[in-house]
Amino acid sequence: GAGVSQSPRYKVAKRGQDVALRCDPISGHVSLFWYQQALGQGPEFLTYFQNEAQLDKSGLPSDRFFAERPEGSVSTLKIQRTQQEDSAVYLCASSPRLSYGYTFGSGTRLTVV
Amino acid sequence: DQQVKQNSPSLSVQEGRISILNCDYTNSMFDYFLWYKKYPAEGPTFLISISSIKDKNEDGRFTVFLNKSAKHLSLHIVPSQPGDSAVYFCAARTNAGGTSYGKLTFGQGTILTVHP
Repeated sequence: GAGVSQSPRYKVAKRGQDVALRCDPISGHVSLFWYQQALGQGPEFLTYFQNEAQLDKSGLPSDRFFAERPEGSVSTLKIQRTQQEDSAVYLCASSPRLSYGYTFGSGTRLTVV
Repeated sequence: DQQVKQNSPSLSVQEGRISILNCDYTNSMFDYFLWYKKYPAEGPTFLISISSIKDKNEDGRFTVFLNKSAKHLSLHIVPSQPGDSAVYFCAARTNAGGTSYGKLTFGQGTILTVHP
C-alpha cells in the first residue's frame, strides 16, 4: 500500500481483556517499529523488528506486551490483561533500510475502561 | 529521565511571521536529530533532520539549527502559514549500544497555532 496501515483505528477494551493491534508496513520495508504515545506526551519506543527478527524489545513496559512479525511484513502488538495505564495511541512505523525519517501509521487509540 | 525536552507546550504566531520551536537534550551520544509534525488523528510526519556534524540544515521554509555545546536545537518556520498549525515533535537518535537501527527518543511536543 501507499502508507503504513494500522487497524483498528480505535479500540475500547474492558480491564483484563486481551487486545491485538495490527500494522501493515509499506511493502518492502525492512525495519518496523512500535511506539506508545500517552496523552500529552511524545511517542515512546516499544520494540523494533528487522524483517522477522525482533532485535530490540527493551521498551515493552511489561511481560503483558508481546509483538511479532512472523513473515517479515505484517506485525501484531498484543497486550494481555489490559490495564487502565495501557490507554494510549499505539503507533507503528516502517522504513526501507536503516534510515532515519521513517513513515508512521495513523495509530490505534486504545482506551481501557 | 526525559532525555529530550520541549519546554514550551504551545506557541501562537501570526501568519507571515517566524515560528521558532525549541528543543533541549541531555544525552551527548545523540548523533542525529529530527523534527516531526503531527495533525490530529494522524501519525507523525517527518519534516526535517540534522546530523550532529552540522549546525544548520535548510529545506524551503524550514530550517533546523543545532548547538551541540548547549545541547539545543531549534526549528524555524518562515514565513508561518495557517496550515503549519500542528503538534511538532523533536526527536533524537543515538548510535550507542548497538542501537544503530534508528530508535528515536521524542520530546513531549509543542502545539503550534498560526493565526491568519
